[in-house]
Amino acid sequence: EADIYQTPRYLVIGTGKKITLECSQTMGHDKMYWYQQDPGMELHLIHYSYGVNSTEKGDLSSESTVSRIRTEHFPLTLESARPSHTSQYLCASSEYGGQSGYGYTFGSGTRLTVV
Amino acid sequence: KQEVTQIPAALSVPEGENLVLNCSFTDSAIYNLQWFRQDPGKGLTSLLLIQSSQREQTSGRLNASLDKSSGRSTLYIAASQPGDSATYLCAVIGTGNQFYFGTGTSLTVIP
Repeated sequence: EADIYQTPRYLVIGTGKKITLECSQTMGHDKMYWYQQDPGMELHLIHYSYGVNSTEKGDLSSESTVSRIRTEHFPLTLESARPSHTSQYLCASSEYGGQSGYGYTFGSGTRLTVV
Repeated sequence: KQEVTQIPAALSVPEGENLVLNCSFTDSAIYNLQWFRQDPGKGLTSLLLIQSSQREQTSGRLNASLDKSSGRSTLYIAASQPGDSATYLCAVIGTGNQFYFGTGTSLTVIP
């Protein structure tokens, strides 16, 4: 049973549209992440959050933005979608403090196609 | 910066074989190491998590070991099955609570 949920699962949208990818977790985790992954390629961290009202950019430059108003919710927004944004977007969460022995939990992903 | 490498990049074995996947990392100052499985077009499923104080973890036919001093981890899969076909990723968490992912090993188990 998934404890972290991503919607939509698939999305095809036209260039220039504004889109929001949803991610919610029910585990009360402090840390949440967004990764971008092209088919057969490695994961790239694009945003992360340590908790409410905390957001940081990751290693990969991204034109997306995120917000963290509630612990359980970490949406990702693209103000104007472009074909270069076509990819799979994966959301994950973890307990704050990796040294406590907690790992990542991932959602099922959103596959975005911009036409 | 931590670098995580997985060898081999791809592996094809007949059903029933035992196999080992390798993961190496450059900075031994890690907290945890986690092994994941990813099916095509899907998210990541956690398989095993090894804390830095542990040397191995087991779950069913899977056994993961960790040698921090040498910067290595292995994932052992016993009696492989076609359903094991997937990409296997290792990730280490180090200072700053940052996760670093390997590039993955694509496993195909032939019936």
